[in-house]
Amino acid sequence: AQRVTQPEKLLSVFKGAPVELKCNYSYSGSPELFWYVQYSRQRLQLLLRHISRESIKGFTADLNKGETSFHLKKPFAQEEDSAMYYCALREPYGGSQGNLIFGKGTKLSVKP
Amino acid sequence: DTGVSQNPRHKITKRGQNVTFRCDPISEHNRLYWYRQTLGQGPEFLTYFQNEAQLEKSRLLSDRFSAERPKGSFSTLEIQRTEQGDSAMYLCASSLGGLAGVTGANVLTFGAGSRLTVL
Repeated sequence: AQRVTQPEKLLSVFKGAPVELKCNYSYSGSPELFWYVQYSRQRLQLLLRHISRESIKGFTADLNKGETSFHLKKPFAQEEDSAMYYCALREPYGGSQGNLIFGKGTKLSVKP
Repeated sequence: DTGVSQNPRHKITKRGQNVTFRCDPISEHNRLYWYRQTLGQGPEFLTYFQNEAQLEKSRLLSDRFSAERPKGSFSTLEIQRTEQGDSAMYLCASSLGGLAGVTGANVLTFGAGSRLTVL
């Protein structure tokens, strides 16, 4: 069974502090992993995906297959980063290749 | 094309009534997904279509739920004999699916959602 775990419901940091939002997954193969973000009063949108290996809005995430993790990191948090962040997994092969499995989300609050 | 559009944005109904939600995906996207989100939870997969074919259904989709995408464009999600436990945000998303190597393939673009409140 696939499962995505985000252990923190809420993460509160001060502006300029480093941020790490944790995501662990359970999957026996090589999944695709994503981070989606939802800002206040906005729709869910893609932040980044592991196969792109890019930095978006200063955020990066590295897939660690040994630890089955895909933590989201940013060295210096900004107030505009405050949002709900969801980690998601997609099985690239097999019968369930169509959909994403989401974690429960972590609310990031960046204080001034 | 302004993205994925969902209607209505909010529906309040009495228990036992039927409700229908509509989703208009991004026009060139061949895949369309329905998710449900309740308070404190991430989106939970319900079903998805590739063109007009419904390829997968979650066990969350009881027999009171039915989804269609008759012409491979817009989709409807109908809930019959609503129950209070059906109260949730119903999210629609679309993507270009099954196209490995295509930029943006398999990236879901979400609509704003349709919030259902069952009294």
